[in-house]
Amino acid sequence: GAGVSQSPRYKVAKRGQDVALRCDPISGHVSLFWYQQALGQGPEFLTYFQNEAQLDKSGLPSDRFFAERPEGSVSTLKIQRTQQEDSAVYLCASSLLVASGKLEQFFGPGTRLTVL
Amino acid sequence: AQTVTQSQPEMSVQEAETVTLSCTYDTSESNYYLFWYKQPPSRQMILVIRQEAYKQQNATENRFSVNFQKAAKSFSLKISDSQLGDTAMYFCASDGGSQGNLIFGKGTKLSVKP
Repeated sequence: GAGVSQSPRYKVAKRGQDVALRCDPISGHVSLFWYQQALGQGPEFLTYFQNEAQLDKSGLPSDRFFAERPEGSVSTLKIQRTQQEDSAVYLCASSLLVASGKLEQFFGPGTRLTVL
Repeated sequence: AQTVTQSQPEMSVQEAETVTLSCTYDTSESNYYLFWYKQPPSRQMILVIRQEAYKQQNATENRFSVNFQKAAKSFSLKISDSQLGDTAMYFCASDGGSQGNLIFGKGTKLSVKP
């Protein structure tokens, strides 16, 4: 079956541009996470959805970052007025039910964002 | 705040040999899970092995096993009979986030040499 997919795989933006990153989780997965992975670092949590509800956005670094999952499936992470420090790989992960260590999180391939 | 520390930025091993990757963590939770994830170059992250803190028996998955020392808050990964395909970044993680989100270490880059 299909895994988690993300698009685009690579995005180059000029400083100040807005970008939108898409995540298609595994069908039927309730939980969806966004992580940010800076070069040479481990992924860091950005935000969490349970179905369409955004239950935690404590990891979003600024109010320029916005995420949505309006129908409880596809999610979009939007970054407004991009800055060079936003350059990173953005990972999406989903799991079948409410997040728990008992359930594996399946990761997408990530979107590599480069802000010039 | 929960933290996960990997003190080995890079390691290398000869094919067919055994290598151990180190990880320490800090948590105030009574029950939690620990994970090792593998991220091959330009490919997506996949789960290698998982350990529940309540279980005393160390988890094993084929050539991969862990040494879980709960009192020491240590969680190392042993890879036996290393293969070229094991070349990747390896991340240690805990499910310590408030919503079950993973907390990752900085990773260890493992190179398996022929």
